[in-house]
Amino acid sequence: GESVGLHLPTLSVQEGDNSIINCAYSNSASDYFIWYKQESGKGPQFIIDIRSNMDKRQGQRVTVLLNKTVKHLSLQIAATQPGDSAVYFCAERNNQGGKLIFGQGTELSVKP
Amino acid sequence: KAGVTQTPRYLIKTRGQQVTLSCSPISGHRSVSWYQQTPGQGLQFLFEYFSETQRNKGNFPGRFSGRQFSNSRSEMNVSTLELGDSALYLCASREGGYASSPLHFGNGTRLTVT
Repeated sequence: GESVGLHLPTLSVQEGDNSIINCAYSNSASDYFIWYKQESGKGPQFIIDIRSNMDKRQGQRVTVLLNKTVKHLSLQIAATQPGDSAVYFCAERNNQGGKLIFGQGTELSVKP
Repeated sequence: KAGVTQTPRYLIKTRGQQVTLSCSPISGHRSVSWYQQTPGQGLQFLFEYFSETQRNKGNFPGRFSGRQFSNSRSEMNVSTLELGDSALYLCASREGGYASSPLHFGNGTRLTVT
Protein backbone atom coordinates (compact mmCIF):
# COMPACT_ATOMS: atom_id res chain seq x y z
CA GLY A 1 0.00 0.00 0.00
CA GLU A 2 0.98 3.64 -0.31
CA SER A 3 2.04 5.53 2.78
CA VAL A 4 4.36 8.26 3.89
CA GLY A 5 6.83 7.71 6.71
CA LEU A 6 7.12 5.34 9.65
CA HIS A 7 7.89 7.59 12.62
CA LEU A 8 5.37 9.78 14.33
CA PRO A 9 6.78 13.21 15.21
CA THR A 10 5.49 14.82 18.35
CA LEU A 11 4.78 18.39 19.31
CA SER A 12 4.33 19.43 22.91
CA VAL A 13 2.82 22.84 23.71
CA GLN A 14 1.55 24.69 26.73
CA GLU A 15 -2.16 25.29 27.07
CA GLY A 16 -3.01 28.69 25.62
CA ASP A 17 -0.07 28.78 23.24
CA ASN A 18 -0.43 28.61 19.48
CA SER A 19 0.50 25.36 17.74
CA ILE A 20 1.90 24.91 14.27
CA ILE A 21 1.87 21.48 12.68
CA ASN A 22 3.75 21.05 9.44
CA CYS A 23 3.38 18.68 6.54
CA ALA A 24 5.35 18.16 3.35
CA TYR A 25 3.31 16.69 0.54
CA SER A 26 4.68 14.68 -2.30
CA ASN A 27 2.77 15.36 -5.50
CA SER A 28 2.87 18.69 -7.28
CA ALA A 29 -0.27 17.60 -9.15
CA SER A 30 -2.29 17.46 -5.92
CA ASP A 31 -5.07 20.00 -5.99
CA TYR A 32 -6.85 19.50 -2.69
CA PHE A 33 -5.56 19.18 0.86
CA ILE A 34 -7.19 18.28 4.15
CA TRP A 35 -6.28 18.23 7.80
CA TYR A 36 -7.69 15.61 10.12
CA LYS A 37 -7.57 15.13 13.87
CA GLN A 38 -7.60 11.65 15.33
CA GLU A 39 -8.20 10.99 19.01
CA SER A 40 -7.48 7.68 20.63
CA GLY A 41 -10.07 5.07 19.77
CA LYS A 42 -11.75 7.20 17.13
CA GLY A 43 -11.58 7.70 13.41
CA PRO A 44 -10.02 10.79 11.83
CA GLN A 45 -12.17 13.89 12.20
CA PHE A 46 -12.24 16.52 9.46
CA ILE A 47 -10.81 19.88 10.57
CA ILE A 48 -10.30 22.06 7.53
CA ASP A 49 -9.53 21.79 3.83
CA ILE A 50 -7.97 23.97 1.17
CA ARG A 51 -7.84 23.90 -2.60
CA SER A 52 -4.66 24.47 -4.52
CA ASN A 53 -5.88 27.80 -5.88
CA MET A 54 -5.72 29.21 -2.35
CA ASP A 55 -2.80 30.01 -0.03
CA LYS A 56 -4.66 30.37 3.22
CA ARG A 57 -7.95 29.40 4.77
CA GLN A 58 -9.26 30.08 8.24
CA GLY A 59 -11.69 28.21 10.41
CA GLN A 60 -12.61 28.38 14.04
CA ARG A 61 -9.26 28.66 15.87
CA VAL A 62 -7.52 26.96 12.97
CA THR A 63 -5.72 28.26 9.90
CA VAL A 64 -4.28 26.22 7.06
CA LEU A 65 -1.46 27.61 4.94
CA LEU A 66 -0.43 26.15 1.60
CA ASN A 67 2.90 26.83 -0.05
CA LYS A 68 2.85 25.14 -3.44
CA THR A 69 6.36 26.30 -4.32
CA VAL A 70 7.91 24.08 -1.68
CA LYS A 71 5.00 21.64 -1.38
CA HIS A 72 4.35 22.50 2.22
CA LEU A 73 1.17 22.59 4.25
CA SER A 74 0.74 23.81 7.80
CA LEU A 75 -2.02 23.84 10.38
CA GLN A 76 -2.07 26.57 12.96
CA ILE A 77 -4.17 26.15 16.09
CA ALA A 78 -4.74 29.26 18.14
CA ALA A 79 -4.96 29.17 21.92
CA THR A 80 -4.37 25.43 22.10
CA GLN A 81 -6.51 23.57 24.60
CA PRO A 82 -6.10 20.16 26.28
CA GLY A 83 -8.92 18.88 24.07
CA ASP A 84 -6.72 19.54 21.06
CA SER A 85 -4.38 16.73 22.12
CA ALA A 86 -4.53 14.17 19.33
CA VAL A 87 -2.73 12.95 16.23
CA TYR A 88 -3.06 15.32 13.28
CA PHE A 89 -2.86 14.10 9.69
CA CYS A 90 -2.52 16.03 6.50
CA ALA A 91 -3.83 14.46 3.32
CA GLU A 92 -3.50 15.32 -0.34
CA ARG A 93 -5.63 14.39 -3.29
CA ASN A 94 -4.16 14.39 -6.74
CA ASN A 95 -6.16 15.34 -9.77
CA GLN A 96 -5.66 11.94 -11.37
CA GLY A 97 -7.57 9.26 -9.54
CA GLY A 98 -8.82 11.28 -6.65
CA LYS A 99 -7.78 9.10 -3.72
CA LEU A 100 -6.50 10.72 -0.55
CA ILE A 101 -2.90 10.10 0.41
CA PHE A 102 -2.22 10.63 4.10
CA GLY A 103 0.91 11.91 5.76
CA GLN A 104 2.50 10.14 8.71
CA GLY A 105 0.75 12.21 11.35
CA THR A 106 1.97 14.45 14.15
CA GLU A 107 1.08 13.83 17.75
CA LEU A 108 0.12 17.02 19.56
CA SER A 109 0.36 17.00 23.34
CA VAL A 110 -1.04 19.95 25.27
CA LYS A 111 0.26 20.53 28.77
CA PRO A 112 -2.14 22.19 31.20
CA LYS B 1 -27.36 13.47 10.60
CA ALA B 2 -25.83 10.32 11.94
CA GLY B 3 -22.17 9.83 11.15
CA VAL B 4 -20.49 6.96 9.38
CA THR B 5 -21.27 3.73 11.19
CA GLN B 6 -18.98 0.73 11.13
CA THR B 7 -19.71 -2.71 12.48
CA PRO B 8 -18.45 -4.61 14.28
CA ARG B 9 -16.26 -2.41 16.44
CA TYR B 10 -13.84 -5.22 17.29
CA LEU B 11 -13.05 -8.55 15.68
CA ILE B 12 -10.69 -11.36 16.54
CA LYS B 13 -9.97 -13.92 13.87
CA THR B 14 -7.39 -16.63 13.28
CA ARG B 15 -5.05 -16.97 10.33
CA GLY B 16 -6.66 -18.44 7.26
CA GLN B 17 -10.16 -17.29 8.13
CA GLN B 18 -12.06 -14.64 6.26
CA VAL B 19 -13.82 -11.57 7.58
CA THR B 20 -16.49 -9.13 6.39
CA LEU B 21 -16.69 -5.59 7.69
CA SER B 22 -19.68 -3.34 7.24
CA CYS B 23 -20.07 0.39 6.73
CA SER B 24 -23.10 2.64 6.60
CA PRO B 25 -22.26 6.05 5.17
CA ILE B 26 -23.75 9.37 6.15
CA SER B 27 -27.25 9.70 4.72
CA GLY B 28 -27.07 11.10 1.21
CA HIS B 29 -23.41 10.26 0.69
CA ARG B 30 -22.83 8.07 -2.33
CA SER B 31 -19.07 7.65 -2.19
CA VAL B 32 -17.50 5.23 0.28
CA SER B 33 -13.78 4.68 0.78
CA TRP B 34 -11.91 2.17 2.89
CA TYR B 35 -8.55 2.66 4.58
CA GLN B 36 -6.28 0.44 6.60
CA GLN B 37 -4.46 2.02 9.53
CA THR B 38 -1.46 0.45 11.24
CA PRO B 39 1.21 1.98 13.50
CA GLY B 40 3.95 1.15 11.05
CA GLN B 41 2.36 2.10 7.73
CA GLY B 42 -0.14 4.76 8.74
CA LEU B 43 -3.31 5.24 6.73
CA GLN B 44 -3.34 3.35 3.47
CA PHE B 45 -6.04 3.54 0.83
CA LEU B 46 -7.83 0.30 0.01
CA PHE B 47 -10.61 1.23 -2.40
CA GLU B 48 -13.37 3.66 -3.20
CA TYR B 49 -16.90 2.96 -4.36
CA PHE B 50 -19.39 5.28 -5.95
CA SER B 51 -22.87 4.25 -7.05
CA GLU B 52 -22.03 0.56 -6.58
CA THR B 53 -18.94 0.78 -8.80
CA GLN B 54 -15.34 0.54 -7.65
CA ARG B 55 -13.77 3.74 -8.82
CA ASN B 56 -10.33 3.49 -7.32
CA LYS B 57 -8.16 0.79 -5.83
CA GLY B 58 -5.04 0.86 -3.69
CA ASN B 59 -2.04 -1.45 -3.77
CA PHE B 60 -3.42 -4.32 -1.75
CA PRO B 61 -3.54 -8.00 -2.72
CA GLY B 62 -6.65 -9.55 -4.19
CA ARG B 63 -7.54 -11.01 -0.79
CA PHE B 64 -8.98 -7.59 -0.04
CA SER B 65 -12.25 -6.91 -1.80
CA GLY B 66 -15.28 -4.77 -1.35
CA ARG B 67 -18.65 -3.90 -2.67
CA GLN B 68 -21.30 -1.25 -2.40
CA PHE B 69 -25.03 -1.74 -2.35
CA SER B 70 -27.76 0.34 -3.92
CA ASN B 71 -28.40 2.08 -0.59
CA SER B 72 -24.70 3.13 -0.54
CA ARG B 73 -23.86 0.82 2.33
CA SER B 74 -20.56 -0.94 1.78
CA GLU B 75 -18.79 -4.07 2.88
CA MET B 76 -15.20 -5.11 2.64
CA ASN B 77 -13.97 -8.67 2.80
CA VAL B 78 -10.56 -10.05 3.61
CA SER B 79 -9.98 -13.71 2.79
CA THR B 80 -7.23 -16.02 4.00
CA LEU B 81 -6.30 -13.71 6.84
CA GLU B 82 -2.65 -13.17 7.70
CA LEU B 83 -1.16 -11.84 10.92
CA GLY B 84 -0.17 -8.67 9.09
CA ASP B 85 -3.81 -7.91 8.38
CA SER B 86 -4.25 -6.89 12.00
CA ALA B 87 -5.19 -3.23 11.79
CA LEU B 88 -7.86 -0.61 12.23
CA TYR B 89 -10.07 -0.58 9.14
CA LEU B 90 -11.67 2.75 8.50
CA CYS B 91 -14.59 3.56 6.28
CA ALA B 92 -15.27 7.08 5.07
CA SER B 93 -18.00 8.68 3.02
CA ARG B 94 -18.45 11.92 1.14
CA GLU B 95 -21.03 13.67 -0.94
CA GLY B 96 -21.14 13.35 -4.67
CA GLY B 97 -18.64 11.96 -7.11
CA TYR B 98 -15.08 12.97 -7.79
CA ALA B 99 -14.66 16.42 -6.33
CA SER B 100 -12.89 18.34 -3.66
CA SER B 101 -15.04 17.41 -0.72
CA PRO B 102 -13.83 16.00 2.58
CA LEU B 103 -14.09 12.39 3.62
CA HIS B 104 -15.96 11.78 6.85
CA PHE B 105 -14.67 8.78 8.75
CA GLY B 106 -16.27 6.26 11.02
CA ASN B 107 -14.55 5.04 14.18
CA GLY B 108 -13.31 1.91 12.47
CA THR B 109 -13.28 -1.82 13.03
CA ARG B 110 -10.30 -3.11 15.00
CA LEU B 111 -9.29 -6.44 13.50
CA THR B 112 -6.90 -8.70 15.35
CA VAL B 113 -5.59 -11.79 13.59
CA THR B 114 -4.05 -14.47 15.82
